[in-house]
Amino acid sequence: ILNVEQSPQSLHVQEGDSTNFTCSFPSSNFYALHWYRWETAKSPEALFVMTLNGDEKKKGRISATLNTKEGYSYLYIKGSQPEDSATYLCAPLRTYKYIFGTGTRLKVLA
Amino acid sequence: SQTIHQWPATLVQPVGSPLSLECTVEGTSNPNLYWYRQAAGRGLQLLFYSVGIGQISSEVPQNLSASRPQDRQFILSSKKLLLSDSGFYLCAWSDEGRTEAFFGQGTRLTVV
Repeated sequence: ILNVEQSPQSLHVQEGDSTNFTCSFPSSNFYALHWYRWETAKSPEALFVMTLNGDEKKKGRISATLNTKEGYSYLYIKGSQPEDSATYLCAPLRTYKYIFGTGTRLKVLA
Repeated sequence: SQTIHQWPATLVQPVGSPLSLECTVEGTSNPNLYWYRQAAGRGLQLLFYSVGIGQISSEVPQNLSASRPQDRQFILSSKKLLLSDSGFYLCAWSDEGRTEAFFGQGTRLTVV
């Protein structure tokens, strides 16, 4: 069983604050790591696909880093906005399977 | 472009009744297909995945089954629903697992 842990489980931040979340996963047999954003009443959508140790990806105010040797990835949001409110999921890829963490529920307060 | 269709969007079923949720993908061939469930207050749990017609892998023991009668069709079924089957079910596809997964709109199942 692949154990994927995300922390914190939930957090509230003020508009304009920067924040970050953690995804921890077994470092053995690493293939790729995906980050998804899941907004209420919508389907999860991919943010980043990361494959190499030391990878850094950025999309607007959101960025992510990857450490495959120690088995963790960080997701950063700079200057949070209310529209960033969502659940953020990470998913290490094992062969054909995406095993999701329980997610971090972010609420940005205006 | 590729699209994924999942229906119905919501479903209320009595305990003991059968279930059939359908998912179809357009615009690609030989996709990997997945069924996930989000139970209340929990993350996405992988229920089944399929890498080809008739090939189904089950991730967790459960009251549900899956079938893939055609290349781009994935069906989630149950003969007799339990209260614990309530949840939000998502179908997803990927290109042989090399890229991100793309999700359907989901089905909210309430077993009463």
